[in-house]
Amino acid sequence: NAGVMQNPRHLVRRRGQEARLRCSPMKGHSHVYWYRQLPEEGLKFMVYLQKENIIDESGMPKERFSAEFPKEGPSILRIQQVVRGDSAAYFCASSPRVRLDTEAFFGQGTRLTVV
Amino acid sequence: DAKTTQPPSMDCAEGRAANLPCNHSTISGNEYVYWYRQIHSQGPQYIIHGLKNNETNEMASLIITEDRKSSTLILPHATLRDTAVYYCIVRVGIGSSNTGKLIFGQGTTLQVKP
Repeated sequence: NAGVMQNPRHLVRRRGQEARLRCSPMKGHSHVYWYRQLPEEGLKFMVYLQKENIIDESGMPKERFSAEFPKEGPSILRIQQVVRGDSAAYFCASSPRVRLDTEAFFGQGTRLTVV
Repeated sequence: DAKTTQPPSMDCAEGRAANLPCNHSTISGNEYVYWYRQIHSQGPQYIIHGLKNNETNEMASLIITEDRKSSTLILPHATLRDTAVYYCIVRVGIGSSNTGKLIFGQGTTLQVKP
């Protein structure tokens, strides 16, 4: 059973371009969380999605950021018109269900560099 | 905001047990304590979780005090590869405004030394 897959692992974008980050959850997992880790900082929750639904986006910046988790295919975190401050590692985690006794597993992340 | 308090850093000698403390004095009755670690900016790795009983798996043991206000993660025989940032997390309760998300604090940087 493959783990959580994120791609690309490294992404370089010029200021003003769009960044698309993909997250394929573990097989059988229908819950996805996205986190951002700025350099030398801790992980910050961004958004929680179930298939076709955004459940909690309390950590998402109000502008330029969006996320989706379609019925088929990976979850996508989209950042429009990137700025240098968006440079960070973005991690996703998946879980088969939302219960307090069920662990979530993380991918290896996408490292976004904005030049 | 994180509901846990951890020391910022600890050292441990290779081969010895590493005991990482965590305070979570405001934990609610149905909230679990989770431990993850992050090795050199890789994705966080799940270690163990528990509610009120002590737990053990192939990676570690989790000791939770009877009042549930603190816990200790034990790595029984630390190796150099256990050098990482260890996060103690109280998983936010499920409900109308809580979604089971993991809120990471600053963690404890464990340095295992030869």
